Amino acid sequence: DAKTTQPPSMDCAEGRAANLPCNHSTISGNEYVYWYRQIHSQGPQYIIHGLKNNETNEMASLIITEDRKSSTLILPHATLRDTAVYYCIVKGSGNTGKLIFGQGTTLQVKP
Amino acid sequence: DVKVTQSSRYLVKRTGEKVFLECVQDMDHENMFWYRQDPGLGLRLIYFSYDVKMKEKGDIPEGYSVSREKKERFSLILESASTNQTSMYLCASSSGGRSTGELFFGEGSRLTVL
Repeated sequence: DAKTTQPPSMDCAEGRAANLPCNHSTISGNEYVYWYRQIHSQGPQYIIHGLKNNETNEMASLIITEDRKSSTLILPHATLRDTAVYYCIVKGSGNTGKLIFGQGTTLQVKP
Repeated sequence: DVKVTQSSRYLVKRTGEKVFLECVQDMDHENMFWYRQDPGLGLRLIYFSYDVKMKEKGDIPEGYSVSREKKERFSLILESASTNQTSMYLCASSSGGRSTGELFFGEGSRLTVL
């Protein structure tokens, strides 16, 4: 599975969009991009995933560049409850769901 | 609401004790996982199971064993606990097939070994 690179920390003002970048330059054609977040003292929570096309659900949007070497998770209207560590993970369609978590980005949403 | 339940939120054990961490999921998932999380090291996979009575080593299986006698239950066993096994332990489950990257995690079990 391809490695990912994320900034260690970011700040965002409450009510504004939070854009979290992720580089995965070695991603291969059958690998998906997954995003999780972990709020303090809780288990990680799945947010969204995608292969080539942009994806949107009730939590966030995922924008994947055309060459698939990077992606951005967008929280459209960040709230204080979105303060968490966000993990970008790349994995293939097989391998029974084993995920490799990196260090992630700590997002601090400020009032 | 889907749920992964870990038996104990906090445990304190002594060095050399045998420790059982239990995890139950109610989603009829095929795959179950045990991770540990430590500051600066992130989440590391200990063991996973893709079917009843099946198990696979993760990245750090030493000092641990697992048991999956029923589909909904996945147990992590520390045969002889040591202080370096003080950690947060996280259980997760996922369905098979194309959605295998969507894991559902429990709230975690914080183990302290004295």
